[in-house]
Amino acid sequence: SYELTQPPSVSVSPGQTASITCSGDKLGDKYACWYQQKPGQSPVLVIYQDSKRPSGIPERFSGSNSGNTATLTISGTQAMDEADYYCQAWDSSRYVFGTGTKVTVL
Amino acid sequence: QVQLQESGPGLVKPSQTLSLTCTVSGGSISSGGYYWSWIRQHPGKGLEWIGYIYYSGSTYYNPSLKSRVTISVDTSKNQFSLKLSSVTAADTAVYYCARTTSGYGDYRMDYWGQGTLVTVSS
Repeated sequence: SYELTQPPSVSVSPGQTASITCSGDKLGDKYACWYQQKPGQSPVLVIYQDSKRPSGIPERFSGSNSGNTATLTISGTQAMDEADYYCQAWDSSRYVFGTGTKVTVL
Repeated sequence: QVQLQESGPGLVKPSQTLSLTCTVSGGSISSGGYYWSWIRQHPGKGLEWIGYIYYSGSTYYNPSLKSRVTISVDTSKNQFSLKLSSVTAADTAVYYCARTTSGYGDYRMDYWGQGTLVTVSS
């Protein structure tokens, strides 16, 4: 079955850029989206169709997808961005989520 | 603004059937254009898609759970439901419902319920 692999953790200083990767076989041939999940809360969609932002999501969130890797970039990271992030794609008629990355803002 | 709310027992005995309902407000399931999913998250773990339903009753399930899952819809109540049979402790998780797009390169869950913890224990 299809798998999406993310680094378990990413640390970033406030105001700096955080990059979170999501790796899967030929992921660039599919569309990826990204969710943010804060402790005790539901996931929130932050990026869809590789690079589109839903209404209300700050411009500091951006995405790209090519080859085997999709990337979520948080520019000018703020303390409020500390959360778990999950990528997601569609493969073989099912939604597949990545393993998740904990972003810590130090 | 679409809102979803899960409801159902928080405790289920092993071998029994887990039953949850998701009530949708701020939008009509029967208006079409969207699918309605169930997703679960084991404690401290990642997300797992269980399946979805369209207002017409068409369903699609994660192959890994397909033999135990039934999702149904009640458009008159603007609700959809999940049944998971023969549960074990491994089914202990937070269960979410979500509005879902599916097709034309757009596969995402844009509105989620708050989630409900279901514990399987005797």
